[in-house]
Amino acid sequence: DAGITQSPRHKVTETGTPVTLRCHQTENHRYMYWYRQDPGHGLRLIHYSYGVKDTDKGEVSDGYSVSRSKTEDFLLTLESATSSQTSVYFCAISGQGAVTNEQFFGPGTRLTVL
Amino acid sequence: AQSVTQPDIHITVSEGASLELRCNYSYGATPYLFWYVQSPGQGLQLLLKYFSGDTLVQGIKGFEAEFKRSQSSFNLRKPSVHWSDAAEYFCAVGAQGGSEKLVFGKGTKLTVNP
Repeated sequence: DAGITQSPRHKVTETGTPVTLRCHQTENHRYMYWYRQDPGHGLRLIHYSYGVKDTDKGEVSDGYSVSRSKTEDFLLTLESATSSQTSVYFCAISGQGAVTNEQFFGPGTRLTVL
Repeated sequence: AQSVTQPDIHITVSEGASLELRCNYSYGATPYLFWYVQSPGQGLQLLLKYFSGDTLVQGIKGFEAEFKRSQSSFNLRKPSVHWSDAAEYFCAVGAQGGSEKLVFGKGTKLTVNP
């Protein structure tokens, strides 16, 4: 299995509080991604990174920010959590190269915003 | 831009029966295609992938998929389903040429009856 960990695995927070989720990889892969998974919507890309300090928005980026100061870590921050951000969040990684863009997924973080 | 449609939200089969999960994609050139499986409470695991060449690809756990360009399809099949195959299945499409993003379908949930 690809070396991907996510922390925390579960979190309950209140509306309006900031939340940071961490994704850590030991594969030295260039690309990292944050998705959210909701019933009926599948996986939707929030943000992704193509290198240290290089990030870009996905299809559902409003209300989220990311940072990548090291190859191995990709942080997702909810500046002011809302109930609509209750979801399961998955981190994924992908190796460099035009051929290989299959992604490997972490175990997920279940976030509940009350 | 790519898109993926999984027409069946939920499929129920009996153990030992054959299985086919449908996936249709939209993309102007030859795509990269993937099938992932997600067991309850788990992350996504890659079942198989298509990049080029033989249009029938074999994956793990006895699954196979066939790329049909004329139908823009990449259906997943298994000749005999086991109870442990109960999970949610996601089809994904990527763009050849170095694009680092995948677009996922909304998933098909498989229930296996004894």
